[in-house]
Amino acid sequence: ETGVTQSPTHLIKTRGQQVTLRCSSQSGHNTVSWYQQALGQGPQFIFQYYREEENGRGNFPPRFSGLQFPNYSSELNVNALELDDSALYLCASSPRTQETQYFGPGTRLLVL
Amino acid sequence: AQSVTQLDSQVPVFEEAPVELRCNYSSSVSVYLFWYVQYPNQGLQLLLKYLSGSTLVKGINGFEAEFNKSQTSFHLRKPSVHISDTAEYFCAVIPYNTDKLIFGTGTRLQVFP
Repeated sequence: ETGVTQSPTHLIKTRGQQVTLRCSSQSGHNTVSWYQQALGQGPQFIFQYYREEENGRGNFPPRFSGLQFPNYSSELNVNALELDDSALYLCASSPRTQETQYFGPGTRLLVL
Repeated sequence: AQSVTQLDSQVPVFEEAPVELRCNYSSSVSVYLFWYVQYPNQGLQLLLKYLSGSTLVKGINGFEAEFNKSQTSFHLRKPSVHISDTAEYFCAVIPYNTDKLIFGTGTRLQVFP
């Protein structure tokens, strides 16, 4: 059974650019959640997708957007990058909403 | 609003000593409870969870936690730690009326030889 995978592992961007992060969910999981973990902090919920529809959103601006595909993989898009967007972005999948979430290794984004 | 408080940002301990990492939560609704571990430069790994039933739950790597509803706590314990337990530990909850994990700020467990 393949776990949650994320790509790329590391990324460097400059302010104002756009970035797309990708996540493949664990086999059999139809729910994907995205989290932002700033240095020295706990992860903060960005949003969740269930069967290709957004199913809840945290306190993040609209320039953070996402997609979920029919195979339940997902993308996180961030437009107009700011320095404070530098963080580890974690993707988690679960068999259903409100089920245990299993995390990928994360994508570390540095915005210069 | 819900919140999770991890009272200790760092816990230093010698190898083979017992350890307790404290976690308290605040919520107007019932919650599911979780502990995750994060090794350096890695994602989060599930240690254990409480969904219902017995309030004492056992997880991987010899860890256990006890849910105390009256004190809204979910402390993590291990009777004898190893050097390899050095990591960041996060307590988290999912309130019954949402689908998002709410994390504490983490506790860094440092095990010394």
